[in-house]
Amino acid sequence: QKEVEQDPGPLSVPEGAIVSLNCTYSNSAFQYFMWYRQYSRKGPELLMYTYSSGNKEDGRFTAQVDKSSKYISLFIRDSQPSDSATYLCARYGGATNKLIFGTGTLLAVQP
Amino acid sequence: GAGVSQSPSNKVTEKGKDVELRCDPISGHTALYWYRQRLGQGLEFLIYFQGNSAPDKSGLPSDRFSAERTGESVSTLTIQRTQQEDSAVYLCASSLLTGTNEKLFFGSGTQLSVL
Repeated sequence: QKEVEQDPGPLSVPEGAIVSLNCTYSNSAFQYFMWYRQYSRKGPELLMYTYSSGNKEDGRFTAQVDKSSKYISLFIRDSQPSDSATYLCARYGGATNKLIFGTGTLLAVQP
Repeated sequence: GAGVSQSPSNKVTEKGKDVELRCDPISGHTALYWYRQRLGQGLEFLIYFQGNSAPDKSGLPSDRFSAERTGESVSTLTIQRTQQEDSAVYLCASSLLTGTNEKLFFGSGTQLSVL
């Protein structure tokens, strides 16, 4: 079982839709969870991070962690064509200092 | 510099040749990471540097892969006797090693194509 599992998509939504992106993880020792956004031919950039359980909101983006079910989510409200990118979830923690990424979900927001 | 810089941005090589990829991290960042991203896939961890030492090189796929870092700055990833399956984007990232929440800053990567 991979440490972080993510549906690769692609996911296509109309402009203005609410987008839900999800990941599951296997090791309950993980503490920090991140969402990175990657535009085509670019390196990933940090979008949001959360610690332990709960919600974190930043503008149109909300990150949610449910440690009881080992589930992490990213919600995008009022999605825009500029949100079209690959979204990668990641976990940090455990025995070594390294980020482990999911496979990424390709999102396309249609104008 | 302003961000993580990687060179070359593109590299085409013939099977069996050696290649060297370079990463210039953000000044002052003590941690440096190499990841590999195959087409349509996620990021695969290769190696992590803390200063000039590599506490975790568990992701290097084979002994054809090696990396070094000098002066707590520039890092080079070397692939010897390249194979077609080595074709991928090689991404470098750096961070301030806080020991808690690692915010990685990535370069744009080196697209390696092995013919």
